[in-house]
Amino acid sequence: EAQVTQNPRYLITVTGKKLTVTCSQNMNHEYMSWYRQDPGLGLRQIYYSMNVEVTDKGDVPEGYKVSRKEKRNFPLILESPSPNQTSLYFCASSWVAGGINEQFFGPGTRLTVL
Amino acid sequence: KNEVEQSPQNLTAQEGEFITINCSYSVGISALHWLQQHPGGGIVSLFMLSSGKKKHGRLIATINIQEKHSSLHITASHPRDSAVYICAANTGTASKLTFGTGTRLQVTL
Repeated sequence: EAQVTQNPRYLITVTGKKLTVTCSQNMNHEYMSWYRQDPGLGLRQIYYSMNVEVTDKGDVPEGYKVSRKEKRNFPLILESPSPNQTSLYFCASSWVAGGINEQFFGPGTRLTVL
Repeated sequence: KNEVEQSPQNLTAQEGEFITINCSYSVGISALHWLQQHPGGGIVSLFMLSSGKKKHGRLIATINIQEKHSSLHITASHPRDSAVYICAANTGTASKLTFGTGTRLQVTL
């Protein structure tokens, strides 16, 4: 089944404790992206990747890191999480250049930083 | 002002009603997406369009490039249509999507 998976689905952590949210897709998509969703603000792009070893900042990259060492995986790293990073996070993928191709979304990761 | 605006923010309808959700954008785009987010949180792509009209089952999406406006219509609405509907525009570089804040739809019996 074609899908985007994220882990964990739920995470409660404390300020400053490094964490990684994994994202994996099995559709051989070139484009992958991370979004956060906050009430009243909608979805905002954090980082995106056009292909292996090619990543770039989105609208709200501060406090986040990403890597794209393999085509299928695009982990989101929070080196020192803070309470303002409490949010619902989505990973998405598409064939190329996400704007002109359907994006497939993961199930979401609800992160709480205390 | 957001580049992508949706209206209404909230919408309640009775089963069977015809529903329209609107999306306006202020910049040039190459494609517009309609997404559906159910209460469990998952997001599903409904439509991607750059001109004209698309139909899938009871859902119809239209776009008017000159007026910078798109609409999502639901015919014969059903309680299972209750969800948040989000429009997103490809607003610049091919990779970037800009999202509206969503329309929360509740369809009652």
